[in-house]
Amino acid sequence: DAGVIQSPRHEVTEMGQEVTLRCKPISGHDYLFWYRQTMMRGLELLIYFNNNVPIDDSGMPEDRFSAKMPNASFSTLKIQPSEPRDSAVYFCASSRSGSTGELFFGEGSRLTVL
Amino acid sequence: AQSVTQLGSHVSVSEGALVLLRCNYSSSVPPYLFWYVQYPNQGLQLLLKYTSAATLVKGINGFEAEFKKSETSFHLTKPSAHMSDAAEYFCAVSFSNQGGKLIFGQGTELSVKP
Repeated sequence: DAGVIQSPRHEVTEMGQEVTLRCKPISGHDYLFWYRQTMMRGLELLIYFNNNVPIDDSGMPEDRFSAKMPNASFSTLKIQPSEPRDSAVYFCASSRSGSTGELFFGEGSRLTVL
Repeated sequence: AQSVTQLGSHVSVSEGALVLLRCNYSSSVPPYLFWYVQYPNQGLQLLLKYTSAATLVKGINGFEAEFKKSETSFHLTKPSAHMSDAAEYFCAVSFSNQGGKLIFGQGTELSVKP
């Protein structure tokens, strides 16, 4: 089975530009998570969805960040406008109800904002 | 508040030596506990998990962890380190009433010397 698929793997952009990160969860998984990883702050949960509905977005840094899940097989994380402090690796993960925390992670999208 | 603390951001061992990575948690409800491993430029993958069955949990690659409620600990061990074990290790906690949401520790980078 295919794992969690993220794109792009690497993105370099200039401050002020819009960035869109994409995620395809594992088929049959009904939870989807977006995490951000930086040296300073470690792994932070930004937002998670259950059955395509956002459940907890308290980790989203500010209004420049938004996430959507239009269907069970696709999610986006958008940053508009981007800033240098948004540079990080963004991970998408998915899981199945009842799995009590066994998350499957994608390989991440490394974002560099100049 | 629920949290996870990993003691030591960096641990270095010699090949063949015991590996011990420490994790303590804080929780007001019985937790589910996990260890994940992250190899360079990759996403996280599950090493092992504790979900209220046996307190000694065996995982992949010879790792195991013991849940000690009295010490609120879930330390990760491996009797004999291998060069391929060099990676970053994350302890994480989940709670059954939060739909699989994981709270991660800050991570411990394991180096293995020849």
